[in-house]
Amino acid sequence: AQSVTQLGSHVSVSEGALVLLRCNYSSSVPPYLFWYVQYPNQGLQLLLKYTSAATLVKGINGFEAEFKKSETSFHLTKPSAHMSDAAEYFCAVSDRKGYSTLTFGKGTMLLVSP
Amino acid sequence: DGGITQSPKYLFRKEGQNVTLSCEQNLNHDAMYWYRQDPGQGLRLIYYSQIVNDFQKGDIAEGYSVSREKKESFPLTVTSAQKNPTAFYLCASSTGTGRNEQFFGPGTRLTVL
Repeated sequence: AQSVTQLGSHVSVSEGALVLLRCNYSSSVPPYLFWYVQYPNQGLQLLLKYTSAATLVKGINGFEAEFKKSETSFHLTKPSAHMSDAAEYFCAVSDRKGYSTLTFGKGTMLLVSP
Repeated sequence: DGGITQSPKYLFRKEGQNVTLSCEQNLNHDAMYWYRQDPGQGLRLIYYSQIVNDFQKGDIAEGYSVSREKKESFPLTVTSAQKNPTAFYLCASSTGTGRNEQFFGPGTRLTVL
């Protein structure tokens, strides 16, 4: 079964600093990978996804992620944090078979200070 | 506007009562999903349906039931058998294939008193 590990339940950065949120997956075959963002008391919104085209994936709001097969990682980055980036971020994986469900990590809360 | 609606936003029920959460989508998606979210636990899959009149148990189906009589609708019933039903419930839909993302509704926060 797939599993996803997000290192750090909380990450704190200052406004303007680099954002790095970590995600590692366990799978012998590279899966499809997703990053979602959730603001308080709302549903999840897709930031970006990796489906085996370019390994560096650009998403919305200036976020990007790089798929590294050798490290089984799909870390999320943003060069300069904004106050509006404060939210919870979830990494998720899906098998490459036809119909598949998503397996989510436990989430990382991003805190941005002025 | 295409999207997923969940109602109500907040729901309060007494212990021992069954309660049904609504989920409707107008995205013409084949697959629909129900997740439970608890603080620090991420999202856990309760049930999913890939086609009308068919559904499968997810990781934490005990104490829950679903139906899929229409493509657009996938209601979730939280039964009195669910030992700890207070949580945030999220509904999602997708085309069904693994490469395509799931689209989420705004969620229903259920509190059992």
